[in-house]
Amino acid sequence: DAKTTQPPSMDCAEGRAANLPCNHSTISGNEYVYWYRQIHSQGPQYIIHGLKNNETNEMASLIITEDRKSSTLILPHATLRDTAVYYCIVRVGGSQGNLIFGKGTKLSVKP
Amino acid sequence: SQTIHQWPATLVQPVGSPLSLECTVEGTSNPNLYWYRQAAGRGLQLLFYSVGIGQISSEVPQNLSASRPQDRQFILSSKKLLLSDSGFYLCAWSVQGWADGYTFGSGTRLTVV
Repeated sequence: DAKTTQPPSMDCAEGRAANLPCNHSTISGNEYVYWYRQIHSQGPQYIIHGLKNNETNEMASLIITEDRKSSTLILPHATLRDTAVYYCIVRVGGSQGNLIFGKGTKLSVKP
Repeated sequence: SQTIHQWPATLVQPVGSPLSLECTVEGTSNPNLYWYRQAAGRGLQLLFYSVGIGQISSEVPQNLSASRPQDRQFILSSKKLLLSDSGFYLCAWSVQGWADGYTFGSGTRLTVV
C-alpha cells in the first residue's frame, strides 16, 4: 500500500472549515484514499473514501487532485467535537490486506 | 445491525500475570477480525488479524497471542504480562477487509504495574 504524509497538527476555529491535507505521491491506480478519525480514548471512525472523483457525505468532503498524488479532507463547519486525530490511508479497496494507520494529523478545534 | 463488544474497559494487572481480552461481534457472519494496540503517545499498531476460525496472522513479534475459537469471537492473551504491554487495545471487524467498513470496539485500557 502507498505511504501517506500528513502534517502532525493543525488548529481550526470553531465554525470555520477545516482543510486537512494528505500527500500520497506513490498511489497506484487501484488504490483508494480513505479517511478515518480517532477521538481521544475511542476507536477510529470511518469518515469518507474516494478513488478519483471528489466525494461528499454528511460528515465531510474529499477533494482528490487530478494526478491523485494528494487529497484534502474538508470539514465544512468544524465544531469542538471534531477535535481528533485524522488518518489518511491509501490501499486497495477490497483486498485482504489490513488497515495500517500512520501518525495522522491532530486537529484542534478552538472556540 | 452489527455491533462489536469489547471488555473490560479498563484493566490494571501486575507484571507477570496472565491476560485475556475478549471481543465479540454480532449481526454478521465470517467477519475479518483485528487486534490493534496504541501505546501512550503513539500510533495504532496492528497486532493480529483473522480471516476465519482458527486462522490467526501476527503482524509483529511480541509477548501476546490471539485466538478465534468461534466465528465472531476474538481473544487476545498473554501468559505473563510485561510493563511494555501497557496500552489501549482495540478490536475491530470488517467485511473481508473492505477498508471503508472497519468498525472498532470501545477499547480496553491496560495498565501493567
